[in-house]
Order: sequence, then structure tokens, then C-alpha cells
Amino acid sequence: EPEVTQTPSHQVTQMGQEVILRCVPISNHLYFYWYRQILGQKVEFLVSFYNNEISEKSEIFDDQFSVERPDGSNFTLKIRSTKLEDSAMYFCASSDLRTMNTEAFFGQGTRLTVV
Amino acid sequence: GESVGLHLPTLSVQEGDNSIINCAYSNSASDYFIWYKQESGKGPQFIIDIRSNMDKRQGQRVTVLLNKTVKHLSLQIAATQPGDSAVYFCAALDSARQLTFGSGTQLTVLP
Repeated sequence: EPEVTQTPSHQVTQMGQEVILRCVPISNHLYFYWYRQILGQKVEFLVSFYNNEISEKSEIFDDQFSVERPDGSNFTLKIRSTKLEDSAMYFCASSDLRTMNTEAFFGQGTRLTVV
Repeated sequence: GESVGLHLPTLSVQEGDNSIINCAYSNSASDYFIWYKQESGKGPQFIIDIRSNMDKRQGQRVTVLLNKTVKHLSLQIAATQPGDSAVYFCAALDSARQLTFGSGTQLTVLP
């Protein structure tokens, strides 16, 4: 069964450092997303990406965040200067919405801990 | 209502009983409503969706009901099993293909 894979599974970084979270979406999917979940809270939308550009982003996704699809398989989330409050689980997801398939497939997540 | 911080709504059911998990939404413009299941340490997993012009949709052991009048969505799980223990989120999909998740309900299945 196809799946979204994320690396690393856990990242510890010092405040102010840059981190890059990596994702490999499902190969024939066209829409890619990043979500974040602070411990014990709901999943929050960060950004969606389609046709090599950001299609939507939330208030959380400020200038410290960026996304990139550097090649045909990877999708990355970069946080330029991490803050303590960036500590959370970050989930990548992908979907194929050409046929109105609403099912977004989520990866296992990267736990980011900022110290 | 909304839950904040660590205080997720909880639901405990006996194994074999039916479970009903509820969700309220605010955006009437959503195209689809979707239920996700999240097990500990994992990402959300799609369970079932319902288009906004439908009232009911059934899957394997699950039924989703949509009441647009009161903006209410429910997930019914028949014959709940231990493997159903997880946090369940409802989510709304808008025309921009953005998912907005609800707060989640922790379902615990008792032996």
C-alpha cells in the first residue's frame, strides 16, 4: 500500500537554529500539505502546495516557514529560526483530488523539539 | 464545544457496543466533511467522508451522519473493538482543499 514517509521521526534542535523536515508524498498525488499538532491539541493546517507553488497557507505559516519540492519526489518544510513554541508534531500529507477523492494520506509525523 | 489544551473530550464504551462521536462545525461552505482516526504516535488516518449535499453515508462498521440544519456531524462505529481505541477528529474540507480539524475525541474501548 502506498504511504507518505517522513524523516526524521524525531528532531531536537536549539532555539534559533534552522530545521528542515522532509517528506516523500505518494508518487501520483498532486496536492501536498503540512500540518502541525502541538501535544494534546488538534491538528492545524500550515500550508498546501500544488503545481509547484503554495496554494494556501495559514496564519501560523509566517516568514520563518518555507516549503519546497526540490525534485520529483521530496517535499520539505523549513523553519529558519526555530522558537520554543515551534515544538510539535509535524505531519506531511498528500492527496489526489483530480477525481474528488477527499482522502488525504498522512505520514507518521516528525516530532520537533526545540530546546 | 471546543476543547483547549490537554482536555480532549473522552468517550468510553464496552467492547461490542456501538460508539457515537459527535462534532459541530461552523463553516457552511465546506464541501466535504471527513472523519480521521489518530492512534498514539501516528498520523491521522482517513476513515470516511461525506459530501455536504448528503445526510448519511455508510462504510464498513462506520456511519457518518450530517445535519446541516444544526451544523452537526456524527460518526457511529458499530460493534466497537479494542483496535478502535484512538482519537477521532472530524475535519471540514473547503473549496481551497484545506482541511480544518476539530478538537478530537478520545475513544477508549473497555474489555
